[in-house]
Amino acid sequence: QKEVEQDPGPLSVPEGAIVSLNCTYSNSAFQYFMWYRQYSRKGPELLMYTYSSGNKEDGRFTAQVDKSSKYISLFIRDSQPSDSATYLCAMNPVGGSQGNLIFGKGTKLSVKP
Amino acid sequence: EPEVTQTPSHQVTQMGQEVILRCVPISNHLYFYWYRQILGQKVEFLVSFYNNEISEKSEIFDDQFSVERPDGSNFTLKIRSTKLEDSAMYFCASRDRTAGRGYTFGSGTRLTVV
Repeated sequence: QKEVEQDPGPLSVPEGAIVSLNCTYSNSAFQYFMWYRQYSRKGPELLMYTYSSGNKEDGRFTAQVDKSSKYISLFIRDSQPSDSATYLCAMNPVGGSQGNLIFGKGTKLSVKP
Repeated sequence: EPEVTQTPSHQVTQMGQEVILRCVPISNHLYFYWYRQILGQKVEFLVSFYNNEISEKSEIFDDQFSVERPDGSNFTLKIRSTKLEDSAMYFCASRDRTAGRGYTFGSGTRLTVV
């Protein structure tokens, strides 16, 4: 079983739709969970991070973590064409000061005007 | 907004040649990383660097790779003898002391080995 699984899509939605992006993981040691947005041929850009289980909201974005199910989600409300990008989930297996990120493969999102 | 700067944006090199990829992390960050992304694949961790030494490295980071922080600002990745399979986007990242804030990535260097 892969450490982090993410449906690669592509996912196409009309402008204004609510988008749901998800990842599952197998390592119960993960404590920090992040969502990155990556435009073509650019570096990942941090959108959201959460620690342990719960919800976090930032504008149109909501991140959810369910550690009991090993499942994380990113919701985008009122999606815009500028949200079209690849969304990567990432996790940190060490809660301390050092550690590397384990990424999902990314979901390619297209928001149509 | 502070950013991580990487140069060059694209480098083409012949197989067997040495390449040095350069990064200027955010100035008050303490932890530095290199990741790579082969076209169509996941972003993969290569190495982390803290307090002037490697703190963690992946299986990918074998003897042909090395990292240096030669002065207070630059952070470099050297590939001694490039192979075709080293062709990828290489991302530098840095973060501050607070765990969990996420990493700031640079825009990457596209390395093409021919």
